[in-house]
Amino acid sequence: QSALTQPASVSGSPGQSITISCTGTSSDVGSYNLVSWYQQHPGKAPKVMIYEGSKRPSGVSNRFSGSKSGNTASLTISGLQAEDEADYYCCSYAGSSTWVFGGGTKLTVL
Amino acid sequence: EVQLVQSGAEVKKSGESLKISCQGSGYRFTSYWIVWVRQMPGKGLEWMGIIYPGDSDTKYSPSFQGQVTISADKSISTAYLQWSTLKASDTAIYYCARRSDAQQYSFDYWGHGTLVTVSS
Repeated sequence: QSALTQPASVSGSPGQSITISCTGTSSDVGSYNLVSWYQQHPGKAPKVMIYEGSKRPSGVSNRFSGSKSGNTASLTISGLQAEDEADYYCCSYAGSSTWVFGGGTKLTVL
Repeated sequence: EVQLVQSGAEVKKSGESLKISCQGSGYRFTSYWIVWVRQMPGKGLEWMGIIYPGDSDTKYSPSFQGQVTISADKSISTAYLQWSTLKASDTAIYYCARRSDAQQYSFDYWGHGTLVTVSS
């Protein structure tokens, strides 16, 4: 059970859109549409932003969206804002009541 | 209000044992899975394992199987993560989180984290 692969960093200017990829295998991302995405600001606990691949919890901005193609899930943030600067982690269900996280992506808002 | 309150920071020596806790409130503790997640200094999140306090059914990541023990005491709405022999490489922040009911494959409420520092 290896960690999902994410880019180490992405950046964008305010108002722009960015996409963070999350690549797994046919045993996790590819088998289930059950990827969640978490935002973590420095010194804080993670916060769920997307669940079941593309659904947003109540209270999460509609600027955040998720999708999946094959073994790769993606998180898109549109209309970038300074407050979006944080670390982002994908997490996939991997069967048998186990999950696996991605390595994390640091988003910098320029 | 749903809350997960974790025990305070710990400073231990290699070879010592440790048990940290995560107390849930504001919801039916026995009906929701609790997960433990490790974050080593400056690193990413790692899924360690999960427990269902209602019957103590527990699953571990292969990476952590045999290295830690996850347990729960439903009478006091508390989940635990314990080590019998700590190593310096166990230095990390450990988070507990609740597996969501409505969003079943995600984790909706998180504790504030417990910093464990192990010196050699």
